[in-house]
Amino acid sequence: DAGVTQSPTHLIKTRGQQVTLRCSPKSGHDTVSWYQQALGQGPQFIFQYYEEEERQRGNFPDRFSGHQFPNYSSELNVNALLLGDSALYLCASSPSYPNSPLHFGNGTRLTVT
Amino acid sequence: AQSVAQPEDQVNVAEGNPLTVKCTYSVSGNPYLFWYVQYPNRGLQFLLKYITGDNLVKGSYGFEAEFNKSQTSFHLKKPSALVSDSALYFCAVRDVSTGGFKTIFGAGTRLFVKA
Repeated sequence: DAGVTQSPTHLIKTRGQQVTLRCSPKSGHDTVSWYQQALGQGPQFIFQYYEEEERQRGNFPDRFSGHQFPNYSSELNVNALLLGDSALYLCASSPSYPNSPLHFGNGTRLTVT
Repeated sequence: AQSVAQPEDQVNVAEGNPLTVKCTYSVSGNPYLFWYVQYPNRGLQFLLKYITGDNLVKGSYGFEAEFNKSQTSFHLKKPSALVSDSALYFCAVRDVSTGGFKTIFGAGTRLFVKA
């Protein structure tokens, strides 16, 4: 049973460019959350998707947007990249029950130059 | 607003000794509490959770955590540390009573277990 898979594993972009990160949730999971983890810090909540809609959002600018598809997979889009967007982006899936833990992928390492 | 504090950046312990990694939280309602572990260049891995009931919860790899409502704490413990326990540990909280769905993480505590 495959867990959460993310692609690509690494990405290098230039300031001002746009990037799309992809996530396939664990089988049986219908909820996807995205986190940004800067070096040496804890994961910061970006947003959560459920039933193809953004259910809750953290304190991130509108440059960060997402999408969830009918098969529950998800994309994270970041426009107008800044140097400060360099981080590990983590996708986590879970069933929609409130007491369910998150299952994380190994992340996408984004470097903005 | 919900928040999590992990007061120690790093914890050092000798192999075979007990370990404790501290966590305090703040939520407006009843908390759902979690511990995760992260190994280098990997995502976070779930260890254990407290939802309700017994204040002492047991999880993976011999870890346990004690929920203390009066001190708003949820410390991670293990009776006998292994070198392989060396990793980054995150405490997390979810406040579902206010209709929220997000899980908020602490800044993490690096555990070093010396042989």
